[in-house]
Amino acid sequence: NAGVTQTPKFRILKIGQSMTLQCTQDMNHNYMYWYRQDPGMGLKLIYYSVGAGITDKGEVPNGYNVSRSTTEDFPLRLELAAPSQTSVYFCASKSGGISYEQYFGPGTRLTVT
Amino acid sequence: SQELEQSPQSLIVQEGKNLTINCTSSKTLYGLYWYKQKYGEGLIFLMMLQKGGEEKSHEKITAKLDEKKQQSSLHITASQPSHAGIYLCGAEAGTYKYIFGTGTRLKVLA
Repeated sequence: NAGVTQTPKFRILKIGQSMTLQCTQDMNHNYMYWYRQDPGMGLKLIYYSVGAGITDKGEVPNGYNVSRSTTEDFPLRLELAAPSQTSVYFCASKSGGISYEQYFGPGTRLTVT
Repeated sequence: SQELEQSPQSLIVQEGKNLTINCTSSKTLYGLYWYKQKYGEGLIFLMMLQKGGEEKSHEKITAKLDEKKQQSSLHITASQPSHAGIYLCGAEAGTYKYIFGTGTRLKVLA
């Protein structure tokens, strides 16, 4: 199993540009998450999904959109990128509800200038 | 809303020394997770604690959850350079949602 994979690893965007961060897991997990990690800070939940077709907002959803058309994929869309979105983005998945650990991808480092 | 506070924020220890990292919650914890993050990489799951007073160990790392389930500690015995990284505690903060502490940066000097 590859686990959770994310692409790209690095990206530089200009203000106002858009992009999609890709996340794929091959563990057949129902639950998937997107987090951002700012320097010196913990992880903040952006969006999460409990299954294909079901998504919901986390703590910091503004400026982002997600979709979940399959169990495997959970892309994160940035529209009209802003410098405040400069961060490291992590995708995670888990198999069950409460008491199951999350598996994290390697992250995407995004800079908006 | 629930928050997790970690202390210390950073730690530098000599190889072979013991150390403790603390995680304190503003509300009762119903699932406390410890993760390790190597610089520039994703998070690796270490341990999960659920019951008050619970203690788990893996190699030289021991984690405990206090009886009131509002504080957890992570203890490393005889630290090694391989223990270096960022340690984060995380918790269930509602149905399907998680929160994380700000992390503790650990450096181990050889």
